[in-house]
Order: sequence, then structure tokens, then C-alpha cells
Amino acid sequence: AQSVTQLDSQVPVFEEAPVELRCNYSSSVSVYLFWYVQYPNQGLQLLLKYLSGSTLVKGINGFEAEFNKSQTSFHLRKPSVHISDTAEYFCAVSKEIGNQFYFGTGTSLTVIP
Amino acid sequence: ETGVTQTPRHLVMGMTNKKSLKCEQHLGHNAMYWYKQSAKKPLELMFVYNFKEQTENNSVPSRFSPECPNSSHLFLHLHTLQPEDSALYLCASSHGSPLHFGNGTRLTVT
Repeated sequence: AQSVTQLDSQVPVFEEAPVELRCNYSSSVSVYLFWYVQYPNQGLQLLLKYLSGSTLVKGINGFEAEFNKSQTSFHLRKPSVHISDTAEYFCAVSKEIGNQFYFGTGTSLTVIP
Repeated sequence: ETGVTQTPRHLVMGMTNKKSLKCEQHLGHNAMYWYKQSAKKPLELMFVYNFKEQTENNSVPSRFSPECPNSSHLFLHLHTLQPEDSALYLCASSHGSPLHFGNGTRLTVT
């Protein structure tokens, strides 16, 4: 079975500082990996995805993530955050075949002016 | 515009009411999903439909009844709900990966 762990439930960071949101997963099969962002009163919006190829994936809003197979991690990074990045961030995995998606519990990012 | 439209955005209902949530996707996807998002809890997968056939039912109480008349529309029929069913209900669709979500229906059961 697949599972996703987001160790940090809340991450406060000052504006223009770098941030890393951690995600670890467990799986016995090859997986696809995703990061979603959720703003208040909205659904989840895809930030970026890893399906295959380069392990460094660039997404929208200046975010990027690196797939590390040996550490089973897919951490999300941004070199300089903005107030508008304040939101809930979810890591997710899916098996390469089928439509089973597994989500982490989310990390609340708060950018402090 | 997310490509997945959910109505209504907000719903308040009593425990004896019957209501339905609607989801429509304009992306040509073959799979549709209902998720429940409660405060401080992970996203809970409720139902999955693949080409209109239900392929997943995660032990959801019978007071929630899904309907998928075609691969573009998904409904969640609600009856005799409990206060603990108050949550954000998210619809999603996919064709393989990734999932595309609607903006959700905020449900309050009084």
C-alpha cells in the first residue's frame, strides 16, 4: 500500500526567505508524485508533478521539487516566498497504473510580512 | 476556471433534509471522484467512477449516495446527514494522472 507523510503541519516563514516543505512516501511499486496548493475556500490546484525523467521538477509560481528515490522523498522548495504563497500544501502519490491517489495531511504555509 | 465545476458552493441543510451536490467536468476525463475534506484531517476518498462504473467505495455510510449518469457528470445525493458530515466536499476528475479538482461545496449540517 502507498502512504504519504508530511512531517510539518505548519511552516511560518518571512517574506522573501526560502522555504522547503517536506514530503516522504512509501510504496512497493513505481509511483507518480504531485504537489497541490489549496487557497482558502477553494479546491486543490496542481503545483507540479513528477511522472518520469528529470528528478528536478519545476512548477507554477516559482516552486520546484526534487524526486529522491533512495530517500523516498519529494520535497517542495521555493527560493523566495511571497505573501500570496500563504496556503495549504498537499503532497500526493499515485500508482503508475490505475486511479488510486493518496494524499498527505497537508502543510500550512504562512508567509510573514 | 478549473475545468471541474461544482454546485452549489455552499449548502446548509437540516438533518432531515435531502439534497444533492453536482459536479461537471469539461476536460474529457474518464474518471471522477468524490473526496471529503474535514478540518485537521487528511483528504478522505469517498467514491471513484471510471467510465461511469463505480470502482471504489471507501466504506462510506449509506446516507451518501453517488450517481454518475455519464463520464462528465457526478452527483452526491445526501439524506439524513449528521452534524459530523459538515465538511468541504471536493469533486475531481482524471485521465490517468493528475487529478483536477473543483472548488468544492462547503456543507453545513445543522
